[in-house]
Amino acid sequence: GNSVTQMEGPVTLSEEAFLTINCTYTATGYPSLFWYVQYPGEGLQLLLKATKADDKGSNKGFEATYRKETTSFHLEKGSVQVSDSAVYFCALRMDSSYKLIFGSGTRLLVRP
Amino acid sequence: GAGVSQTPSNKVTEKGKYVELRCDPISGHTALYWYRQSLGQGPEFLIYFQGTGAADDSGLPNDRFFAVRPEGSVSTLKIQRTERGDSAVYLCASSQGLDGDTQYFGPGTRLTVL
Repeated sequence: GNSVTQMEGPVTLSEEAFLTINCTYTATGYPSLFWYVQYPGEGLQLLLKATKADDKGSNKGFEATYRKETTSFHLEKGSVQVSDSAVYFCALRMDSSYKLIFGSGTRLLVRP
Repeated sequence: GAGVSQTPSNKVTEKGKYVELRCDPISGHTALYWYRQSLGQGPEFLIYFQGTGAADDSGLPNDRFFAVRPEGSVSTLKIQRTERGDSAVYLCASSQGLDGDTQYFGPGTRLTVL
C-alpha cells in the first residue's frame, strides 16, 4: 500500500544550523507530497507542497523537492530559528483519493 | 477568520461508555475530514464528507465508530462501547472543496479511555 517514512527524531540543532529532515514514500502512481508542521499547542498547518516530479515547494525559508527517481521529499532549511521547534510531518495524497497519508513525524528542537 | 474548532479539547471516559466529539469547520468549507493520531504516530484517516454525505468511510476501524454531518457544516464523531485502544487525539480538518484543496486542521480532541 501507499506509505510515508520519515527519519526518527528528535532532531536537536543550534540556532542558525542547517536542517534536513528525510522523507521517502511508497506509492502506486504519482502522489502529491506535503510537509505539515505542528507547533506546541497548535493544530497541524500546511508548510509546503509539491504536486509533480521536480517541483520545489517552499515557505518560511523551508524547501523540499519532489524527487521521483529516489521517491523522496526531504525538508531543508538553511538557518533554523528557535521558533522552528515543532513536529514536522511528511504526507502524500493520491489523485484517486482525497485522504492524506502521513509519516510518523519528526520532532525538531532548536536551542539558542 | 475563525479556524476549525473542536470540542471538547479533552475527554476522559470509562471503558464501555459512549462519547461524541464535535467539529466546527471553517465557514463555507464543503469538505470535512476526521483523522486519529495515536501517541508518537502521524494522523490516520478515518472518514471524509462532501456536504452532508460520507464520501469515504474506509478508515473507520469498526462499527463502533460513526460520524454524521446532517446540515453540511458541523460534524460529530460518535464512538460506542469505548475501549482503551481508542485513546488518541482525534483531529478534524476542512477544505473548500476536495480536488487539490489545502486541508485546514483543528487543534484536536484528546480522548482518554480508562
